[in-house]
Amino acid sequence: NAGVTQTPKFRVLKTGQSMTLLCAQDMNHEYMYWYRQDPGMGLRLIHYSVGEGTTAKGEVPDGYNVSRLKKQNFLLGLESAAPSQTSVYFCASSYPGRGNQPQHFGDGTRLSIL
Amino acid sequence: DAKTTQPNSMESNEEEPVHLPCNHSTISGTDYIHWYRQLPSQGPEYVIHGLTSNVNNRMASLAIAEDRKSSTLILHRATLRDAAVYYCILTPNAGNMLTFGGGTRLMVKP
Repeated sequence: NAGVTQTPKFRVLKTGQSMTLLCAQDMNHEYMYWYRQDPGMGLRLIHYSVGEGTTAKGEVPDGYNVSRLKKQNFLLGLESAAPSQTSVYFCASSYPGRGNQPQHFGDGTRLSIL
Repeated sequence: DAKTTQPNSMESNEEEPVHLPCNHSTISGTDYIHWYRQLPSQGPEYVIHGLTSNVNNRMASLAIAEDRKSSTLILHRATLRDAAVYYCILTPNAGNMLTFGGGTRLMVKP
């Protein structure tokens, strides 16, 4: 049982390049989330999805797009990477809930943009 | 969203109990209290959550004040592996979103 798997684990990009981060979960969770964590800070929600084919904006959505074509996958895209997007990106998933469902996190993708 | 206040850091000795406090004076009646921890270079890990009553699981205990304006995460016997940043988070009944603050960095001394 792998839980939440993020691909890749590390990546270095040049300013203006694009890339897609992949998150896969095998727990049959309806909800999925993308967060970013800057050094010394807590996580901030970028986008989330409450089901296949649905997405919604979180706290810091600018510069990112997401897609949830399959229930088990949640993709985070950077169309034109900027140095300000250098961060560690975490994906999470959970069952639907009214505040009472734990989120399960992946180990993160460390992204550097030069 | 209701906010939480935690000490920036705490120190503990190995094999001793640890009490991590969290203040949430503006908590609403339907907010759940969640605790997560983040070990170095890893994603956050769920620890425990509760609404009104104290809760126990294999990792920790959660003590919730009667007025719900504060809570305490209790690690009964700290190990070196418990050194992490601990986040106290309120989740509204209307959704399942987490809003992370700065957390408490717990250091465990051998």
